[in-house]
Amino acid sequence: GNSVTQMEGPVTLSEEAFLTINCTYTATGYPSLFWYVQYPGEGLQLLLKATKADDKGSNKGFEATYRKETTSFHLEKGSVQVSDSAVYFCALSDLRGQNFVFGPGTRLSVLP
Amino acid sequence: DTEVTQTPKHLVMGMTNKKSLKCEQHMGHRAMYWYKQKAKKPPELMFVYSYEKLSINESVPSRFSPECPNSSLLNLHLHALQPEDSALYLCASSGEQAGRYEQYFGPGTRLTVT
Repeated sequence: GNSVTQMEGPVTLSEEAFLTINCTYTATGYPSLFWYVQYPGEGLQLLLKATKADDKGSNKGFEATYRKETTSFHLEKGSVQVSDSAVYFCALSDLRGQNFVFGPGTRLSVLP
Repeated sequence: DTEVTQTPKHLVMGMTNKKSLKCEQHMGHRAMYWYKQKAKKPPELMFVYSYEKLSINESVPSRFSPECPNSSLLNLHLHALQPEDSALYLCASSGEQAGRYEQYFGPGTRLTVT
């Protein structure tokens, strides 16, 4: 079946540091890929997405590129802020759209 | 508008109580989901409704009973819960954009079973 693996963290960075959170997936066909962010006490928010190979999703300074050859969708941000402290989930959905699979989540703490 | 709303935000209930969680979306999405999330874990899928019919039940105990009264509403009826059912319950909906699906989540209901 489909699965998502991501670095579990926690990841602790200083403000303005560069962020990478690795995500790799196993899936048949051509899934859509997502990053969701969950702030403390809240639900999951869709951060960015990519639907085909070499697509780059971007939002709020975060980016991720759909790499089919390495089955990866790593999340990056050039300069993190304290307000980026949250849990980040990598996810995929199959073509039918009903089956969403989440990675274990990566907790990010950004220190001032 | 990509909003999914959930009520109540917090719920404390005893093991003999009956309560309901409510979820609403007005994005025209035809698939709606219930997830359970424990602390420091990803969401676990409980139920999926597709076109108002239950299409996936992930072996959830019968003390959880979902209901989809119409295409915008999703309920989760709770009865005789156990303390280990305390968790954040998330509702989500998904819809098609250019042939692909993306999922939107509500803020969740924090449930405590005493």
